[in-house]
Amino acid sequence: GENVEQHPSTLSVQEGDSAVIKCTYSDSASNYFPWYKQELGKRPQLIIDIRSNVGEKKDQRIAVTLNKTAKHFSLHITETQPEDSAVYFCAAPYSGGYQKVTFGTGTKLQVIP
Amino acid sequence: GAGVSQSPRYKVAKRGQDVALRCDPISGHVSLFWYQQALGQGPEFLTYFQNEAQLDKSGLPSDRFFAERPEGSVSTLKIQRTQQEDSAVYLCASIRGSSYNSPLHFGNGTRLTVT
Repeated sequence: GENVEQHPSTLSVQEGDSAVIKCTYSDSASNYFPWYKQELGKRPQLIIDIRSNVGEKKDQRIAVTLNKTAKHFSLHITETQPEDSAVYFCAAPYSGGYQKVTFGTGTKLQVIP
Repeated sequence: GAGVSQSPRYKVAKRGQDVALRCDPISGHVSLFWYQQALGQGPEFLTYFQNEAQLDKSGLPSDRFFAERPEGSVSTLKIQRTQQEDSAVYLCASIRGSSYNSPLHFGNGTRLTVT
């Protein structure tokens, strides 16, 4: 199956600073990499995703970069705001099975006003 | 409805009781998933349905766990003889097609507490 490792497990930044969360994966055939945001007591929601045919994707203050050779992808949040405080999960599918998407262990981001 | 709906939102069960958790996916979504999320952890895959067919149940932790989706829409996750280690949030998710290259639409989950 797919092994997904996510770092760091917690991250505190000052409002306005940038935050970077990194994930590594094991299945070299994986070609879709989503990031989910989960606020306390709420459902995980997709914030950005990237497919393996591109190296970077940006949506306003959020960007994701992918390095297929090294098998890692990163979430970048710029100009952080207090409402960015949440737990962020990366995920990667296992190409050898039906839909067995594996999630990282999560990064708890705290943005300090 | 507009999103994935799960019920109940919270469930407290005494050890040994059976529980049934319901998921109503987005209308027309072919694929349905169940995940288990322990406190402070990422969602862990339990099982996957494509329409009414359960194509992967490799994540179910024991034979006390059973899931069904008889008409290819609503799904039920049943846990028999609940144990304390079953305490977790159970998330249901759906996607329109069957490709794993699509984002999951999650429900709000059922928080199960076994006492």
